[in-house]
Amino acid sequence: GIQVEQSPPDLILQEGANSTLRCNFSDSVNNLQWFHQNPWGQLINLFYIPSGTKQNGRLSATTVATERYSLLYISSSQTTDSGVYFCAVQTNQAGTALIFGKGTTLSVSS
Amino acid sequence: GAVVSQHPSRVICKSGTSVKIECRSLDFQATTMFWYRQFPKQSLMLMATSNEGSKATYEQGVEKDKFLINHASLTLSTLTVTSAHPEDSSFYICSARGIGRVVAEAFFGQGTRLTVV
Repeated sequence: GIQVEQSPPDLILQEGANSTLRCNFSDSVNNLQWFHQNPWGQLINLFYIPSGTKQNGRLSATTVATERYSLLYISSSQTTDSGVYFCAVQTNQAGTALIFGKGTTLSVSS
Repeated sequence: GAVVSQHPSRVICKSGTSVKIECRSLDFQATTMFWYRQFPKQSLMLMATSNEGSKATYEQGVEKDKFLINHASLTLSTLTVTSAHPEDSSFYICSARGIGRVVAEAFFGQGTRLTVV
C-alpha cells in the first residue's frame, strides 16, 4: 500500500517563529488533506489540496503531485498552534479511505 | 465545512459488555463512512469502510464479528464494540464523505474515547 511519511516527527518553536512541515507519499494520489488534531482529539480540516497552493491566514500549503510531496507552512506561530499535524492521502488503489502519516507534533512556547 | 457528529464523546464500560458509537453527517448525505482507531501518541488506523445499504469492508486484522458496523441511512453509521476487553480501549473516530457540497474532502467526527475496565 501507499506510504505516507511526515517530517519532522517533533518540532519545538518559540512563539512568533515560522515552520515548514513536510509530507512525502509513495504513489499518485487524487486527494491530500492536512489536519490539526487538538488536545481533545478533534481533527480540524486545514486544507484539501491534491495539487497546487492554498492559503488560509497564517497557514498555507503546497502540493507538488508530480514529485509526491506536500508542505504545510505555519507563519508567526502561536501557542494555540500546538498539537499534532497529520497529512492524509487517498489513492485510487486504496479505495476511498484516507491513509494517514504518523504526524508531526508541534509545541509552541511563549 | 461539512459537519460530522459522533456520540458519545467518552464512554467507560465493563469488560464483556457492548458499546455502540454513532456517527452522523448533519448537513450532507454520506454515501461512505469510515471508522478509524487511534492509540495514544499514534496515528489513525483505518478499521473499516461502510457504504450505505451494504456490508462494511474491514481492514486486515480487524475482527468483523467484534466491531459491528451498520450504515443504515445516508446520514448515520454505527460502530458496536461487542464483548469489549481492556485492549479495545482506544480513541475511535469516524469520517464521512459523500454527495452534496463537497464530494472528495473527508470530514471527521469529534471522536469517542472508549475505556474498558
